[in-house]
Amino acid sequence: AQSVSQHNHHVILSEAASLELGCNYSYGGTVNLFWYVQYPGQHLQLLLKYFSGDPLVKGIKGFEAEFIKSKFSFNLRKPSVQWSDTAEYFCAVNRWQSGNKLVFGAGTILRVKS
Amino acid sequence: EADIYQTPRYLVIGTGKKITLECSQTMGHDKMYWYQQDPGMELHLIHYSYGVNSTEKGDLSSESTVSRIRTEHFPLTLESARPSHTSQYLCASSELASSYNEQFFGPGTRLTVL
Repeated sequence: AQSVSQHNHHVILSEAASLELGCNYSYGGTVNLFWYVQYPGQHLQLLLKYFSGDPLVKGIKGFEAEFIKSKFSFNLRKPSVQWSDTAEYFCAVNRWQSGNKLVFGAGTILRVKS
Repeated sequence: EADIYQTPRYLVIGTGKKITLECSQTMGHDKMYWYQQDPGMELHLIHYSYGVNSTEKGDLSSESTVSRIRTEHFPLTLESARPSHTSQYLCASSELASSYNEQFFGPGTRLTVL
């Protein structure tokens, strides 16, 4: 089935460690890609997005993601995490052919130990 | 300030009750969405609307219904709640003119049906 896969459901890191969260999708054609973040007790909010152009996109709070079309991937990275990055992270794909509906991954819960 | 509002934030009710979850937005967006989210699972689209008097069912079958009488208001109703309806319900909106479908989310309503 066509879907969005996030490789790890739970990740635990120490402060200053590097982060990479995997996201793969199985759709062909034109896609727009998003990472959303949900901090404890807060709204789901946009972290970064890819529409076109440079496949390396930078978002808020030092996060970046790289779109690799040949691998159908959009992995999220941060060189040095902070305790305040503890949150749940969702990858989402907008597939133009599907009537512009977002399809979400199951989320990755990141816990950063201080 | 432009935002998306959901009430109530938490609701605990008995089986068989009729409930309405409220969603309002001051974003000026035409498109609105309802998602259902269970712990550790992806967000599933249950309803969406392109504007006033437009409502469509999403990818996940739901016994709930929606209405869109005003642009800024998109309530979701369950005529007879059951324990299987226990979940978190997220409302979102996006610009109609945008092909990229960047969505903005409300804080969610956590529903528990006893």
